[in-house]
Amino acid sequence: AQTVTQSQPEMSVQEAETVTLSCTYDTSESDYYLFWYKQPPSRQMILVIRQEAYKQQNATENRFSVNFQKAAKSFSLKISDSQLGDAAMYFCAYRDNSGGSNYKLTFGKGTLLTVNP
Amino acid sequence: NAGVTQTPKFQVLKTGQSMTLQCAQDMNHEYMSWYRQDPGMGLRLIHYSVGAGITDQGEVPNGYNVSRSTTEDFPLRLLSAAPSQTSVYFCASTRTGANYGYTFGSGTRLTVV
Repeated sequence: AQTVTQSQPEMSVQEAETVTLSCTYDTSESDYYLFWYKQPPSRQMILVIRQEAYKQQNATENRFSVNFQKAAKSFSLKISDSQLGDAAMYFCAYRDNSGGSNYKLTFGKGTLLTVNP
Repeated sequence: NAGVTQTPKFQVLKTGQSMTLQCAQDMNHEYMSWYRQDPGMGLRLIHYSVGAGITDQGEVPNGYNVSRSTTEDFPLRLLSAAPSQTSVYFCASTRTGANYGYTFGSGTRLTVV
């Protein structure tokens, strides 16, 4: 079974600074998708960024970018120019693309990000 | 376009009571799923469905029941509530066949006393 590990239960960053959240995963599949979700205190799950494993280019979305290292099974999230609104729980998630009914998301345990003014 | 609608948002149950958490989506998504979120545990899959009439178990199915009679609805039933089922429950859906994003409901906070 696939597993997703977020080794940093909590992180903090100063406003306007850059922070990197770590995520590693374990899978025997070669075709899969990876996601970062943000969960603010409102509890809503918000998709931040996603990466297709077959794409070598790292995904970027405005201030959010990933460092995808397929061989190392690593998928870190970098937040640049951190803002107070970035404070939230961040979840890394995995979904394989081996066909059939494999649309299940496997989540890490989350990293709570605090942004200090 | 309402997306994924979960009801209720909050619920308190007594041990042994049963209830149904409702989930409805209006995006014609084939895949629907239920997760529970517990502190320090992330989100864990309870049950999922790839279409009407098709359901399967996830990682933590015990004590829960689902059915999928229509594409739109995917209710989660707690048969006999236990304090261990105190959690936040999320319904999520997506289209099948491609890497579409998952749409989550706003969650239900359930407390079993």
